[in-house]
Amino acid sequence: NAGVTQTPKFQVLKTGQSMTLQCAQDMNHNSMYWYRQDPGMGLRLIYYSASEGTTDKGEVPNGYNVSRLNKREFSLRLESAAPSQTSVYFCASSRGDRGPEQYFGPGTRLTVT
Amino acid sequence: AQSVTQLGSHVSVSEGALVLLRCNYSSSVPPYLFWYVQYPNQGLQLLLKYTSAATLVKGINGFEAEFKKSETSFHLTKPSAHMSDAAEYFCAVSERTNAGKSTFGDGTTLTVKP
Repeated sequence: NAGVTQTPKFQVLKTGQSMTLQCAQDMNHNSMYWYRQDPGMGLRLIYYSASEGTTDKGEVPNGYNVSRLNKREFSLRLESAAPSQTSVYFCASSRGDRGPEQYFGPGTRLTVT
Repeated sequence: AQSVTQLGSHVSVSEGALVLLRCNYSSSVPPYLFWYVQYPNQGLQLLLKYTSAATLVKGINGFEAEFKKSETSFHLTKPSAHMSDAAEYFCAVSERTNAGKSTFGDGTTLTVKP
């Protein structure tokens, strides 16, 4: 099993450009999450999907959109990138209420200039 | 609302010494509690979890944590530090009524000196 995979690993964008971060899991998990990690601020939840077909805002959703394409895939889109979105982005998955521990991908390091 | 506080953003110990990383939580209902470890340039991985039953939880790599309801704490310990333990550690909490959503602490960076 590959677990949680994320693409790309690195990305540099100019202000105003758009991009989509891809995430897939092969553990048949119901819930999926997108976090950003900034120095000294821990992990902050951007969006999550408790189950296929549902998405909810997290702590810092502004400037982002998500799509739960199917049970395996959960993408994060930046429509118009800003320097404040420079961060490391992690996708995670879990069994939800039946197994709350989360499994993380390797991360995407995004720089917006 | 749930929250978690990790006391000390940086902890430094000598190799072979006791590791103690502190975590206190706030939750309106009995929580689930977790410790995750993050090595440089990697994602987080689960060290251990408290979901019910035994209050002393053993995890991977010789780590353990004790759930103390009266102190609202879930401190992480390891009797003897190894150089390979150097990493960032995150405490997390989720409420049983919404277990799929966790709140993470700000993290503690552990340095192990030779």
